[in-house]
Amino acid sequence: GAVVSQHPSRVICKSGTSVKIECRSLDFQATTMFWYRQFPKQSLMLMATSNEGSKATYEQGVEKDKFLINHASLTLSTLTVTSAHPEDSSFYICSAMSPDSRQPYGYTFGSGTRLTVV
Amino acid sequence: GQNIDQPTEMTATEGAIVQINCTYQTSGFNGLFWYQQHAGEAPTFLSYNVLDGLEEKGRFSSFLSRSKGYSYLLLKELQMKDSASYLCAGITGGGNKLTFGTGTQLKVEL
Repeated sequence: GAVVSQHPSRVICKSGTSVKIECRSLDFQATTMFWYRQFPKQSLMLMATSNEGSKATYEQGVEKDKFLINHASLTLSTLTVTSAHPEDSSFYICSAMSPDSRQPYGYTFGSGTRLTVV
Repeated sequence: GQNIDQPTEMTATEGAIVQINCTYQTSGFNGLFWYQQHAGEAPTFLSYNVLDGLEEKGRFSSFLSRSKGYSYLLLKELQMKDSASYLCAGITGGGNKLTFGTGTQLKVEL
């Protein structure tokens, strides 16, 4: 089945630095990818929709200058958290629309990235 | 927009049956998903309903009533490994954004 690889799985960074998270579709082309953020014991909150070759669409309240999204190819989307602060510490998950016979809209999720800003 | 609500926590006994409810308010509804998520892991797909009625898949079944804006996930013969968070999620017609509910943390006890 469709696989989405997300890297790194865990990252610790100093406050004020930037962190890049990669999301790759391994065996299919993903024109659209989604980035979510999840705080402990909470649900997934959609941050932005990443479209290959065009600007990402951000959800209300998400700072586009802080969370930079690049979707330069059909298999790779990146999320860069710029000038990270402790409140940005969270679990970040990407997903891609994928071919899946079980569901008309196939969404395959990456394994997530645990970001800790110290 | 979509407001998707679920109970925050539920506890059930191994071997029992549990029903996790999900209510939603949406315009242009176009399908409802259920996912299972273990702590620190990605959600895994359980079911998708777009028409009213019950979809059964082994120990897991999902029900949808579009007129009532209501869905539930039914888990039978509960096992300890079923302890996880269960998320319902919906998409709006014409769009492709998946919006998640608040999530239900299920704890299965002996």
